[in-house]
Amino acid sequence: LAKTTQPISMDSYEGQEVNITCSHNNIATNDYITWYQQFPSQGPRFIIQGYKTKVTNEVASLFIPADRKSSTLSLPRVSLSDTAVYYCLVGDGGGGNKLTFGTGTQLKVEL
Amino acid sequence: GAVVSQHPSWVICKSGTSVKIECRSLDFQATTMFWYRQFPKQSLMLMATSNEGSKATYEQGVEKDKFLINHASLTLSTLTVTSAHPEDSSFYICSAEDPGTLRGKEQFFGPGTRLTVL
Repeated sequence: LAKTTQPISMDSYEGQEVNITCSHNNIATNDYITWYQQFPSQGPRFIIQGYKTKVTNEVASLFIPADRKSSTLSLPRVSLSDTAVYYCLVGDGGGGNKLTFGTGTQLKVEL
Repeated sequence: GAVVSQHPSWVICKSGTSVKIECRSLDFQATTMFWYRQFPKQSLMLMATSNEGSKATYEQGVEKDKFLINHASLTLSTLTVTSAHPEDSSFYICSAEDPGTLRGKEQFFGPGTRLTVL
């Protein structure tokens, strides 16, 4: 399973764009990149998933360079409620896909 | 989206007793479910993979006789912490794959169960 490396923490202010980068140098050909958000005492919540280039949904964008050895989660105009831990995971997405959670990034958004 | 529930949401028990935690997929069938444990300020740690109709696969270092997993149906997996001790106090989270979604590679997580062993 590919290992991921993320910054331990990041601080931001409301209204700003936040970019969290994740390194996954050993990503395999079949691996997808998935980002989850977790609030205290809650289960992780799916944010976005991608394989290559750029993916955008209603809450975030995911940028993946051609070599796929890293990815960047972009949160536009964050608010206080975006304060959470963000996890980057890679996996092949097949049946019985085990997910290995890294340390995650604690994002703190202030006024 | 697919919903996974857990019951109970929190439980307090005495040392030496057993506690059962249920994980249900509410609107889809899950042949595979996963159990995680999370200690305060730490990441999720995968404990085991639960497969419907077969034995669970445990991660290295997880005692299978202490953490009994049963996946008797396509919508229910249970984790029983046997002879619980204070060091078993943790946040237990399950997840399930919904193979029927367009995003078939997404795992849906339950809300977690807070176990406190006195």
